[in-house]
Amino acid sequence: AQKVTQAQTEISVVEKEDVTLDCVYETRDTTYYLFWYKQPPSGELVFLIRRNSFDEQNEISGRYSWNFQKSTSSFNFTITASQVVDSAVYFCALSEAAVGSWGKFQFGAGTQVVVTP
Amino acid sequence: GAGVSQSPSNKVTEKGKDVELRCDPISGHTALYWYRQRLGQGLEFLIYFQGNSAPDKSGLPSDRFSAERTGESVSTLTIQRTQQEDSAVYLCASSLDGFGYGYTFGSGTRLTVV
Repeated sequence: AQKVTQAQTEISVVEKEDVTLDCVYETRDTTYYLFWYKQPPSGELVFLIRRNSFDEQNEISGRYSWNFQKSTSSFNFTITASQVVDSAVYFCALSEAAVGSWGKFQFGAGTQVVVTP
Repeated sequence: GAGVSQSPSNKVTEKGKDVELRCDPISGHTALYWYRQRLGQGLEFLIYFQGNSAPDKSGLPSDRFSAERTGESVSTLTIQRTQQEDSAVYLCASSLDGFGYGYTFGSGTRLTVV
């Protein structure tokens, strides 16, 4: 069974503050993929990052950074110096690598980020 | 096309009627997925097409739901005898390799059953 938990329903910050979104997952598979997607008010899901279970190296892309810790089954996402355009719902997702599981994401419930000027 | 196109963007239907939702994937993408997103929730997997292989229908919630795809082109998701609990946004995604990279989602069809 898969499960992705995003415990934070909504986070409100003032522009330029940092915000960290938590994601905790459960899987019995040793090979899996983790994703973050952004869903702005327009509704379209925007791919942010994919990480495989064998790569625990943290990643930074501009103002975004991700901290993958297999020991705690967490894949947290930080937005540094937030901007109003970052306001969106952010989803963490898990997909097992086994054939037949491709594309069958297990999504978390999402975290609404509200950035005010 | 440049992105995944879904139509209609909004659909209001009466309970008991059938509806058909359309997804136009990115040209050349062999994999196509349908997901459902209920208000305030994450996405639920419905069905997955990969090339000419038999689709993975394991996420379809009932036999009122069905989907078709001709080759590597357009897909239609049909919901028969709609119920109020079918109200949701139905999202389609396509992928070049069916394996996570390059997933592109459409903007979805918002279905409201009244």
